[in-house]
Amino acid sequence: GNSVTQMEGPVTLSEEAFLTINCTYTATGYPSLFWYVQYPGEGLQLLLKATKADDKGSNKGFEATYRKETTSFHLEKGSVQVSDSAVYFCALLYSSASKIIFGSGTRLSIRP
Amino acid sequence: SAVISQKPSRDICQRGTSLTIQCQVDSQVTMMFWYRQQPGQSLTLIATANQGSEATYESGFVIDKFPISRPNLTFSTLTVSNMSPEDSSIYLCSVEEGTVNSYNEQFFGPGTRLTVL
Repeated sequence: GNSVTQMEGPVTLSEEAFLTINCTYTATGYPSLFWYVQYPGEGLQLLLKATKADDKGSNKGFEATYRKETTSFHLEKGSVQVSDSAVYFCALLYSSASKIIFGSGTRLSIRP
Repeated sequence: SAVISQKPSRDICQRGTSLTIQCQVDSQVTMMFWYRQQPGQSLTLIATANQGSEATYESGFVIDKFPISRPNLTFSTLTVSNMSPEDSSIYLCSVEEGTVNSYNEQFFGPGTRLTVL
């Protein structure tokens, strides 16, 4: 079946460090891939997306590239800030099924 | 993109009571979804609510416990019935937007944080 596996947290980094949160997926066909972010006490927000192989999604300094050959969609940021502390969810969506499958979430904490 | 609001934003309820959560969208959408996020967990789909038809529930969720209404294309409600502390979660509604020639994307409401004592 379809699934999303992402790096277990919590991840703790110092400000300005490089961030990678790994995400791999199992799916038939060609899903769209997403990263969602949930800041403390808030709802879920779409961070970035990619809809086909080799697409790169980017937003707020975060990037992720849809890699079909490795079935991955790793989230990266070159220099994290304290304000990036949140829980990050990798997810996939088949437009035909309209059902989002979420990864387990990775809690990120950034130290000043 | 759709703008979604939910009411209430949070509530503290006594066990055995019921709470109805409202979800309002600023545009007409066909598909609406209700998710649950238990403390420290990922999101789990409860049901899909399409206007004009019965909601479709995922495995482990039943209509008697989580009745859903979808009276029009911009509004839905989820009721959490006969609550117990295990129902303490964030409940989120989402909508899907897309066209025939583009991918579909889901947007989420801010969530309703429910605590059951």
